[in-house]
Amino acid sequence: KNEVEQSPQNLTAQEGEFITINCSYSVGISALHWLQQHPGGGIVSLFMLSSGKKKHGRLIATINIQEKHSSLHITASHPRDSAVYICAVRSGGLGGATNKLIFGTGTLLAVQP
Amino acid sequence: NAGVTQTPKFQVLKTGQSMTLQCAQDMNHNSMYWYRQDPGMGLRLIYYSASEGTTDKGEVPNGYNVSRLNKREFSLRLESAAPSQTSVYFCASSEGGRQFPHTGELFFGEGSRLTVL
Repeated sequence: KNEVEQSPQNLTAQEGEFITINCSYSVGISALHWLQQHPGGGIVSLFMLSSGKKKHGRLIATINIQEKHSSLHITASHPRDSAVYICAVRSGGLGGATNKLIFGTGTLLAVQP
Repeated sequence: NAGVTQTPKFQVLKTGQSMTLQCAQDMNHNSMYWYRQDPGMGLRLIYYSASEGTTDKGEVPNGYNVSRLNKREFSLRLESAAPSQTSVYFCASSEGGRQFPHTGELFFGEGSRLTVL
């Protein structure tokens, strides 16, 4: 079983819909990242969070440390949101040999007009 | 700011050839990373450099070497390319540092698509 699991793996939505992408992890973490990758493109950091909730424009990220779960929400989705969304966790403490980044395999989102 | 710049964007090699992927960041970050991305798998760490003058192996270091030339630049070398090294390679950086190597927001380059025939 992967240490970071994302669901769903693929998601198709209609423009305007509210979208939720989930990330569950099985290790202790000190931070969680949400990244966006457009087809054939580079990777952009959306959020880095260690507790609570963050919002940037139409994107909202939440994390529940006790449940080892994070969600990425997109409100009023648009075709330009079509991309792969990647969850990554920083495992272990802030420093030391156990500190590393573990990436999920991504969720492919397609938003249709 | 340019952020993280990596070159080349595309490269085709024959088995046994060598090449170097170049990466530079202009954000004064301490930590730099090289990842490979393969279909159906998460990003996998090849090597990282927690700070200038240090490099460490990641998850999949075999067949690769790295050099942290200075604080800005971190290169990845394939000495004798193999078809299994066909992949998309990403350089990244973060504030990090020797004590907290994998900390801070991640900034990625545009990726280098390498094909080994």
